[in-house]
Amino acid sequence: DGGITQSPKYLFRKEGQNVTLSCEQNLNHDAMYWYRQDPGQGLRLIYYSQIVNDFQKGDIAEGYSVSREKKESFPLTVTSAQKNPTAFYLCASRDRVIANEKLFFGSGTQLSVL
Amino acid sequence: SQKIEQNSEALNIQEGKTATLTCNYTNYSPAYLQWYRQDPGRGPVFLLLIRENEKEKRKERLKVTFDTTLKQSLFHITASQPADSATYLCALLASGDMRFGAGTRLTVKP
Repeated sequence: DGGITQSPKYLFRKEGQNVTLSCEQNLNHDAMYWYRQDPGQGLRLIYYSQIVNDFQKGDIAEGYSVSREKKESFPLTVTSAQKNPTAFYLCASRDRVIANEKLFFGSGTQLSVL
Repeated sequence: SQKIEQNSEALNIQEGKTATLTCNYTNYSPAYLQWYRQDPGRGPVFLLLIRENEKEKRKERLKVTFDTTLKQSLFHITASQPADSATYLCALLASGDMRFGAGTRLTVKP
């Protein structure tokens, strides 16, 4: 069953702590994305990667870091430098080979600060 | 700067009516535009894609238009149903990354 999996569904962060959100896909997609969504707001791009070992900053990359060591995986670390991390985080992937291809999204991770 | 604007934050309509949502963009030259549906607490789900050389695209009760001169796309849901209540997002591809509008929250009342 192909898809994109985010874990955990809910995550709590203590002050000064780094936390990592997992995103795994078995769709064989080259491109992967991380978005942040605040209540009543649209999706804002944090980072994206079009190929293994390469990634680019989006509009709100400060306080976040990513890695893309494997095609299937694109974890997002929310560092202690991100002062307002409470939000809904969405991971997505896309097949770059097929032009115009749609994004497939995971079910999201809700991050809250303790 | 580049912007994607969905100029209705919320739209309430009566069941059976046609819902029309607007997406405007500036400083983009998109080859295509996409529309997604998002339910609360879930990830968006792809609905329709329209290319720059297509004026209109239909899928069941959904219709999308794309006017590259006006830099605008309209998204219509005909014979709306309460189950259509959700947030609808438009999206553009720009240099490899997908950018989204803020979305329009549609409520269809019985």
